[in-house]
Amino acid sequence: GQQLNQSPQSMFIQEGEDVSMNCTSSSIFNTWLWYKQDPGEGPVLLIALYKAGELTSNGRLTAQFGITRKDSFLNISASIPSDVGIYFCAGQLRTGTASKLTFGTGTRLQVTL
Amino acid sequence: KAGVTQTPRYLIKTRGQQVTLSCSPISGHRSVSWYQQTPGQGLQFLFEYFSETQRNKGNFPGRFSGRQFSNSRSEMNVSTLELGDSALYLCASSPETRDRKNIQYFGAGTRLSVL
Repeated sequence: GQQLNQSPQSMFIQEGEDVSMNCTSSSIFNTWLWYKQDPGEGPVLLIALYKAGELTSNGRLTAQFGITRKDSFLNISASIPSDVGIYFCAGQLRTGTASKLTFGTGTRLQVTL
Repeated sequence: KAGVTQTPRYLIKTRGQQVTLSCSPISGHRSVSWYQQTPGQGLQFLFEYFSETQRNKGNFPGRFSGRQFSNSRSEMNVSTLELGDSALYLCASSPETRDRKNIQYFGAGTRLSVL
């Protein structure tokens, strides 16, 4: 099945550092979403982006919807231990009334003290 | 408001058996989608239900099926289980608002192991 290209695949950073990850697609999406998944749990929504060029923040998280509508990035500032987890981007395309999410391959974030 | 509830959380089955997973959406949400998550393929879309009708389907064999009830609760069924069906099955619900900002909220998933 289709997956979006997400990079980096994994990151090992120190507490307090900033993090940046991005997602690219060959297809256009109406909406870009960023989720975080902890082990044994479902993805939890972090940020939703609805318009090309939109820049949105949620606390220490900032995400942008690319101008071409084919990419998005997520930044985390001043990382803390609870930021550990797997981050997924997802593109949503509504065709008529139907919609589905296409997910990225995920970025595994490890934070060391 | 309670989140998306999936039952059971864990299941162990053997090849050839069939399984039914259940999902209760967030109250007021009318759309339910199902996804399969495996280490190799990542998160893959299975199908979406709205008003008891399947309105979108992913690329999975016919052994995977689902349905939605009038109270928006949904079930998915996998028949003739194969080892490769071992996965975390995730359900997501969305509100179907008029502004079309229909964000999907996920449950904790059902971990299916096929032996």
